[in-house]
Amino acid sequence: QVRLVESGGGVVQPGRSLRLSCAASGFSYRDFGMHWVRQAPGKGLEWVAFISPDGTKSFYAASVRGRFTISRDRSKKNFFLQMLSLRAEDTAIYFCGKDDSFFNAMAVWGQGTTVTVSS
Amino acid sequence: QSALTQPPSASGSPGQSVTISCTGSRSDIGYSNQVSWYQHLPGKVPKLVIYEVTKRAAGVPDRFSASKSGTTASLTVAGLRPEDEADYYCTSYADTNILIFGGGTKLTV
Repeated sequence: QVRLVESGGGVVQPGRSLRLSCAASGFSYRDFGMHWVRQAPGKGLEWVAFISPDGTKSFYAASVRGRFTISRDRSKKNFFLQMLSLRAEDTAIYFCGKDDSFFNAMAVWGQGTTVTVSS
Repeated sequence: QSALTQPPSASGSPGQSVTISCTGSRSDIGYSNQVSWYQHLPGKVPKLVIYEVTKRAAGVPDRFSASKSGTTASLTVAGLRPEDEADYYCTSYADTNILIFGGGTKLTV
């Protein structure tokens, strides 16, 4: 069964860091890319970051560039979002979404993990 | 780069058709055929409905169709059913190597 499972969310103070994980299972061994998308309370969906299928390129929304880093491990089935210098406006549900191509569509999504930035 | 522009709300009666627009620019919708639509119910996981402008995702009924003209993409839901009630988001790849979401449209049936 094709599945993405996020973890690592929690409550964190402004300025601190958090690392989110997204574990992929049930896929073929063909390489795929991964997006992170978030939804702040009462707001719409916002794209955060993308790592290319070959893992060599990463791209970021302006709102997180320089603070967030997307990566994957050697197995290519675990993806991460390292978040530094967190701000109140980073409070959101964070979803990972699988992309079989380069900046194409996300046909599979995880259930989301909640990040709350508050003092 | 600004979010794509969608109407905040749309509505229709069961059996009717409704079209949701998504307006961008020459740098995103006008540049790319990587335009997608997602259905999102509050508290649920977003679901891919349309990809590459017009292609229906697996399992999506043919009541859902989409198109693009210039810098505007459109999603049409025909034969509205109560279970179509959800938030709908368009997305487009942009020439600055980012993905842009629309603000979302709440569809009421």
